Amino acid sequence: DIVMTQSPDSLAVSLGERATINCKSSQSVSHSSNNKNSLAWYQQKLGQPPKLLIYWASTREYGVPDRFSASGSGTDFTLTINGLQAEDVAVYYCQQYYNTPWTFGQGTNVEI
Amino acid sequence: QVQLQESGPGLVKPSETLSLTCSVSGSSINNYYWSWIRQPPGKGLEWIGHIYDSGTTNYNPSLKSRVTISLDTSKKHCSLKLSSVTAADTAVYYCAREGYYDSSAYYFSGTFDYWGRGTLVTVSS
Repeated sequence: DIVMTQSPDSLAVSLGERATINCKSSQSVSHSSNNKNSLAWYQQKLGQPPKLLIYWASTREYGVPDRFSASGSGTDFTLTINGLQAEDVAVYYCQQYYNTPWTFGQGTNVEI
Repeated sequence: QVQLQESGPGLVKPSETLSLTCSVSGSSINNYYWSWIRQPPGKGLEWIGHIYDSGTTNYNPSLKSRVTISLDTSKKHCSLKLSSVTAADTAVYYCAREGYYDSSAYYFSGTFDYWGRGTLVTVSS
């Protein structure tokens, strides 16, 4: 299985500031055939199911605000929230879909 | 809009079989993978497995010996059975639509764009 490790586990950011979450996979999730990385990011607010934010490591899902951006390739990936808003308080998960079983990081709790 | 709704017993006894159903509306059940994902209270997400409309399944090896996922396309239901449950199987169970079609109608699996609200299943005597 591909192990996904996120850092930090928890992050406190002031309103309007930047939050940065890192995700590392135990093996590359990059496809040499098309240069795409099979890495997604989800946001889970308390009591709700996860919501897809990003796929292919950097493509925002339709309707996701552009203050959410992501980058990375191979084994190292980053989710950035620019100008954190109160509604962004949540747990964020990375997920690889390069090989089954699909696996998730342990989550990063973002708070104000 | 696409809606998924999980249903089933909220309490299951140890050693028995957990059975859940996911009702799909607003989406074709054909031509997609349908996944089950679980989340123990206060913990992270674990993919259980998925099924395609052809009946093709793929399970997480950690649960494979105990899991069965099935699809009833006429009722637009996806079902999960997990046998020989223990307290470690206590979790919120989600069903989710997996994958998407790009502008060239090519299907990419592995991401989850629609989720049910989840149902908490507690394993206890």
